[in-house]
Amino acid sequence: KAGVTQTPRYLIKTRGQQVTLSCSPISGHRSVSWYQQTPGQGLQFLFEYFSETQRNKGNFPGRFSGRQFSNSRSEMNVSTLELGDSALYLCASSLARAGPGLDIQYFGAGTRLSVL
Amino acid sequence: DAKTTQPTSMDCAEGRAANLPCNHSTISGNEYVYWYRQIHSQGPQYIIHGLKNNETNEMASLIITEDRKSSTLILPHATLRDTAVYYCIVRVPYGSSNTGKLIFGQGTTLQVKP
Repeated sequence: KAGVTQTPRYLIKTRGQQVTLSCSPISGHRSVSWYQQTPGQGLQFLFEYFSETQRNKGNFPGRFSGRQFSNSRSEMNVSTLELGDSALYLCASSLARAGPGLDIQYFGAGTRLSVL
Repeated sequence: DAKTTQPTSMDCAEGRAANLPCNHSTISGNEYVYWYRQIHSQGPQYIIHGLKNNETNEMASLIITEDRKSSTLILPHATLRDTAVYYCIVRVPYGSSNTGKLIFGQGTTLQVKP
């Protein structure tokens, strides 16, 4: 079974631009969560989508947004990029079901975004 | 804020057992302990999780104290490929409002040496 796929793997943008990152979850998984990882702040939760609805949101400005499609694939968008948005962006998918081991989050390899 | 406390770094000799401690003194009765690891610049990898009983899988063993205030992840025969940052996470069970949110601390950097 294929794992979580994130595209692109690397991205270079300039300040003020916007960017869209994509995440394809493991087949059958219904939940997708997004995280930002920086050297200073570590791994921080951005938001979670389940059945095309945002179910949970972290403490990030409104420039960070996301969506989930009917096939569970998810995208996140960052508008008006700032230098501080340079980070590794990770997504994780989960079956999101009750039962032993059925809500484990499995991570993709991430998209490394550099803002110049 | 993370609900766990871990040592910043640890060393382990190749072939020996690596024992990684984690304190979670404020854990609630229905919260699980999860362990992930992250090899440099890759996505975190799930290792194991447990509620109150000790757990073992093909990667590791998880020992949770009876009062559930601390736990230890055991890698029985560490190899150089086990060098990574190990995260101990306390997580609410499925069905809770924050179930999709993992709160990562700074983790423990495990260096396995030849």
